[in-house]
Amino acid sequence: DAGVIQSPRHEVTEMGQEVTLRCKPISGHDYLFWYRQTMMRGLELLIYFNNNVPIDDSGMPEDRFSAKMPNASFSTLKIQPSEPRDSAVYFCASSETSGSTDTQYFGPGTRLTVL
Amino acid sequence: RKEVEQDPGPFNVPEGATVAFNCTYSNSASQSFFWYRQDCRKEPKLLMSVYSSGNEDGRFTAQLNRASQYISLLIRDSKLSDSATYLCVVSSFSGNTPLVFGKGTRLSVIA
Repeated sequence: DAGVIQSPRHEVTEMGQEVTLRCKPISGHDYLFWYRQTMMRGLELLIYFNNNVPIDDSGMPEDRFSAKMPNASFSTLKIQPSEPRDSAVYFCASSETSGSTDTQYFGPGTRLTVL
Repeated sequence: RKEVEQDPGPFNVPEGATVAFNCTYSNSASQSFFWYRQDCRKEPKLLMSVYSSGNEDGRFTAQLNRASQYISLLIRDSKLSDSATYLCVVSSFSGNTPLVFGKGTRLSVIA
């Protein structure tokens, strides 16, 4: 299996622009997680899905952030409009069943820089 | 109080040394515990789960102290390749809830 796939790997954009991050989880995994990692705050859970349904989005910073999972093999995280404080590494992860007991497999991340 | 707290380090140790990291967690109802490893500019990967009875995987030993709510990771005979950030990870509750990650402890093993 190719593992969790994320694109793009790097994104540089200007403040106010829309940014879309993409993720393909491991086939057969029922849970998908979006995280953001910064030096100051570490790894923070933004939102997670179970069988394509959003379960908890309490970690989403504000209305500028939205996430979708239209099918079992694809998810997007959108930031509109982007701000410099959104600069971070965004990871997508998936797990086979319950996130609290199963290994989470992370994608390589998207390094986002908002100028 | 943060849910999972770790000493950020860095821990700089010579090859062959034994090094130990501790991590404390605030939620006494937590049921699952893990150590993840994250190399520089890479994604986190599971290193090992932590069981109540303690567990060992080669040079790595993990222990859980529920009464004091801390988890430890011991690395014996450190190798240069052990240089990484070690993330302490705890489940919020049992069941279908996600994990909470500590900020990590950075280890540098020096030749």
